[in-house]
Amino acid sequence: DAGITQSPRHKVTETGTPVTLRCHQTENHRYMYWYRQDPGHGLRLIHYSYGVKDTDKGEVSDGYSVSRSKTEDFLLTLESATSSQTSVYFCASQGPGANVLTFGAGSRLTVL
Amino acid sequence: GENVEQHPSTLSVQEGDSAVIKCTYSDSASNYFPWYKQELGKRPQLIIDIRSNVGEKKDQRIAVTLNKTAKHFSLHITETQPEDSAVYFCAANPGGSQGNLIFGKGTKLSVKP
Repeated sequence: DAGITQSPRHKVTETGTPVTLRCHQTENHRYMYWYRQDPGHGLRLIHYSYGVKDTDKGEVSDGYSVSRSKTEDFLLTLESATSSQTSVYFCASQGPGANVLTFGAGSRLTVL
Repeated sequence: GENVEQHPSTLSVQEGDSAVIKCTYSDSASNYFPWYKQELGKRPQLIIDIRSNVGEKKDQRIAVTLNKTAKHFSLHITETQPEDSAVYFCAANPGGSQGNLIFGKGTKLSVKP
């Protein structure tokens, strides 16, 4: 799955600081997603994008914003990180005409 | 909105036995039901999927069944092996959407040698 990468893979930050996670895909996929994974909650959708500059909210979007200025990049921003946003964040992309999601390797964020 | 319930949350079997994981969904418009496997510290990866126009699909030791009337679908793993140990997630696409999968909370499967 080298076609989709996330950065940084690990980050420790303090409450109140801004954080941006980056997802980069080389598959020219139209659809991209950000999920968070927490014990006992599975994978929960934060935001998704169905094209450049076209984004929408998922199940748990409060406290998060996204941007998609290029097909290949989907950014997730925590404007002011809180401890409840400590999680593993997965980006995924989806090709045309298919529902299959391909996930990135994940970004582990710790907010102290 | 769509709600996907998954059971059990943990499952322990002996090597060689079968394992069954069940999911229910609430949105009757959902028409795509994938299963993802996540090994410890790894990313989720698709292992099998089924669409609403099919009742069953098999791929070697794994199979998925779908009951649209009851709105539930199940993953069946036969002849389990230690490498099947992982967390398994089911999902559904609300409103029959292209993407936007809603996942169950996962089942941790342990296969004991």
